[in-house]
Amino acid sequence: SQQGEEDPQALSIQEGENATMNCSYKTSINNLQWYRQNSGRGLVHLILIRSNEREKHSGRLRVTLDTSKKSSSLLITASRAADTASYFCATDKRNKLTFGKGITLSVRP
Amino acid sequence: DAEITQSPRHKITETGRQVTLACHQTWNHNNMFWYRQDLGHGLRLIHYSYGVHDTNKGEVSDGYSVSRSNTEDLPLTLESAASSQTSVYFCASSESLTGSDEKLFFGSGTQLSVL
Repeated sequence: SQQGEEDPQALSIQEGENATMNCSYKTSINNLQWYRQNSGRGLVHLILIRSNEREKHSGRLRVTLDTSKKSSSLLITASRAADTASYFCATDKRNKLTFGKGITLSVRP
Repeated sequence: DAEITQSPRHKITETGRQVTLACHQTWNHNNMFWYRQDLGHGLRLIHYSYGVHDTNKGEVSDGYSVSRSNTEDLPLTLESAASSQTSVYFCASSESLTGSDEKLFFGSGTQLSVL
């Protein structure tokens, strides 16, 4: 069964705009991770946030975690056409990752 | 550079045939995982291994098997391929069970079509 559920399923924005993607989950977790998948390729790890953390930054990425609401958000600032990809949240419980269905992000040049 | 390699990249087979998908990693990672990716379902865990001679069933293990005879390889076998097993298969690895906050490294995937 899917642990993480991303929202929205698809997002289309103009280059330079910010993209916000959300993830909700159902049970307690050790950490939450975000991955990116370019068309026809494997997933690539972007960022990890531990259950005792509330916010984390990495370059143009900002991730937040609200354990009381069992939700996380991924913000990509100043988006670029190269950010076009599918994005997945994954929840880690007992060193096993469970992935959501993904969000398709399209960044128009 | 260390990497994780899947082969073949594309495979077409017939129902009832046995098929083996290869996964080889050069990171010396203890943990290896097989996922399948389908539209509308995202990634689902098939089998995983935390070390040599260790294998465990995941969420969708029926019809699949794995064996771990060394650190580098975790081949996935479809005993008798079915059309429902048409999918994209991803292998992944991570470093250690004892550490927390393990991130996965993925291969490029195998597109399997069962006709």
